[in-house]
Formats: sequence, C-alpha cells, structure tokens
Amino acid sequence: KQEVTQIPAALSVPEGENLVLNCSFTDSAIYNLQWFRQDPGKGLTSLLLIQSSQREQTSGRLNASLDKSSGRSTLYIAASQPGDSATYLCAVIFGMDSNYQLIWGAGTKLIIKP
Amino acid sequence: DGGITQSPKYLFRKEGQNVTLSCEQNLNHDAMYWYRQDPGQGLRLIYYSQIVNDFQKGDIAEGYSVSREKKESFPLTVTSAQKNPTAFYLCASSTGVGGELFFGEGSRLTVL
Repeated sequence: KQEVTQIPAALSVPEGENLVLNCSFTDSAIYNLQWFRQDPGKGLTSLLLIQSSQREQTSGRLNASLDKSSGRSTLYIAASQPGDSATYLCAVIFGMDSNYQLIWGAGTKLIIKP
Repeated sequence: DGGITQSPKYLFRKEGQNVTLSCEQNLNHDAMYWYRQDPGQGLRLIYYSQIVNDFQKGDIAEGYSVSREKKESFPLTVTSAQKNPTAFYLCASSTGVGGELFFGEGSRLTVL
C-alpha cells in the first residue's frame, strides 16, 4: 500500500532559523511530488512541484529536494519568518502511463516564534 | 487574475436539506476535483472529473453528487444522504490528472 508520511506533525522554531520539513513515501514509482502550505481556514497554496526526473526545485527562500531511492522529499525554508507559520502538506502522485494515484501526507504544522 | 473561485465561503444548512457548493476556474484546466477536510484529518477525495461530461467517484463519494457540464464549472451537491456533512470543502483543478494542483479558498459547511 502506498503511503505518505510527514514527521514531525508539529514544529516550533525561533524566527530566523533555517529549517527542514520531511515527506517520506513508500513507493519509488512516483510521477511527481508537490508541496503546499495551508493557512488556518484557507485553501491550499502550491509552493513547489518536483517532477520524477528532477532532484530539486527552488522558489525564493524555499528549496524542495527529491530522493526517490530513499523515498524522501525535504522542504528547506531559509531564514524563517513569522509569516511562514502554516501547515505544510506534501502530495505524491504515484504511477505511470496515465494510471495515477495521489496520496496526501497529514501535514506538518509550523510555528515561527518572533 | 486566473484562479479558482469557490462560493459560498460559509454555508449553514438544516438537516435533511441538499446544498450545492460552486467551483469555477478560469485556468483552462481539464481536470477538477472536490476534497473534504476534517479537523485533524488529511484531505479526502470526493469526486474528480478529467473532462467535460465525465466524472468519477473518489474515496468518499457516498452522499455527494457532481456535474461537469462546462469546462469551467464543477459544482458539488451535498445531499441529505450524507450522514456527517459538516466539514471544509476544497475544490482543485489541474491541466490533467497528474498535473500540478491548484486550489480554491474553500467552503465551510455547517449543518445545524
């Protein structure tokens, strides 16, 4: 059974720190992986999409990496700010040849303390 | 601006009533999705549609219905058969199944 795990469920760090959020998956046959943030009571905002053939993607202070052999993706946030406080979710699309299944992680709730 | 619009943002319903949540996108995406989110739980797929006039059940379709008469629109009806409809509902779209997902702002349904 394909599973996506995000550990820890919650993380609290002081402002200014660099931090890493983890997303683990059980099957290396992935099509792509997408990171989102969700603010309380809001929809999901797409942060980064990594295709299966890619190793990393960067957007501003965010960097997402993908290691299919170890079944892991990390989201690196540099110089964290209070505005980065949110729940971060990863979604993994498994499969190929248009036979896909999207599996969600449960999310990591991040609090950046001023 | 391109995006996904969900309405209403908040909705209250009495038990036994059907309600319809609207989802409109101007991204020219072929695929659209409805998810349900409950506190402390992950997102669960209700229905999805890959093309106009076609849709498939997701993991928790019972008590819900959808239509896809136009590419831009994918309304979700929460019927009286849904036993526990109070939840946060999210609509999403992508260029195709497997493509990058974009979400609306969500609709919060409360059954009184």
